[in-house]
Amino acid sequence: DTAVSQTPKYLVTQMGNDKSIKCEQNLGHDTMYWYKQDSKKFLKIMFSYNNKELIINETVPNRFSPKSPDKAHLNLHINSLELGDSAVYFCASSLRTVANTGELFFGEGSRLTVL
Amino acid sequence: QQPVQSPQAVILREGEDAVINCSSSKALYSVHWYRQKHGEAPVFLMILLKGGEQKGHEKISASFNEKKQQSSLYLTASQLSYSGTYFCGTDVIQGAQKLVFGQGTRLTIN
Repeated sequence: DTAVSQTPKYLVTQMGNDKSIKCEQNLGHDTMYWYKQDSKKFLKIMFSYNNKELIINETVPNRFSPKSPDKAHLNLHINSLELGDSAVYFCASSLRTVANTGELFFGEGSRLTVL
Repeated sequence: QQPVQSPQAVILREGEDAVINCSSSKALYSVHWYRQKHGEAPVFLMILLKGGEQKGHEKISASFNEKKQQSSLYLTASQLSYSGTYFCGTDVIQGAQKLVFGQGTRLTIN
């Protein structure tokens, strides 16, 4: 069984369109994340949810809207796609600890290409 | 806030050793190390916690100097399977669940 699964793995779309990426984890973790990895391999945190509650919202454009219907799912919706949104988007999950971020388990990534 | 890794790239022959460094300008609560192979997701290697606790793979070692706000990853007797990009991730806010990654170090084993 895949621990953290994302769909779709590949998206190719035109500028201005809207797209969604879904993520599910079966590890029983209470914290989930979205990370963006650009063409230079830089991994940047976008959002973090703990038990469906948004706890981290980095300086991400309003066009990006995460939603967590339950603690096992975290989806990412992107409106009005721009060329600069092209990247690999990784979902991850971890067990929350008081002092430190727990080990991150990453999904396989969703490669978004905006034309 | 992003930690700085050095070197940016390393090329080794099988059996050689390498050290990858990670430095932060802020006090750290933990340092994570991940390895990402081309086209794959990052995979957890090790976590080093403030106070000296470590959790990770037996074949990989690392150090965490809290005073210097630095961590180093030691890869000994490298194998072809060690190839990939290594990322350190740091916690600077206790309990914030915000792991910030360095820019990565690309390791090539010939």
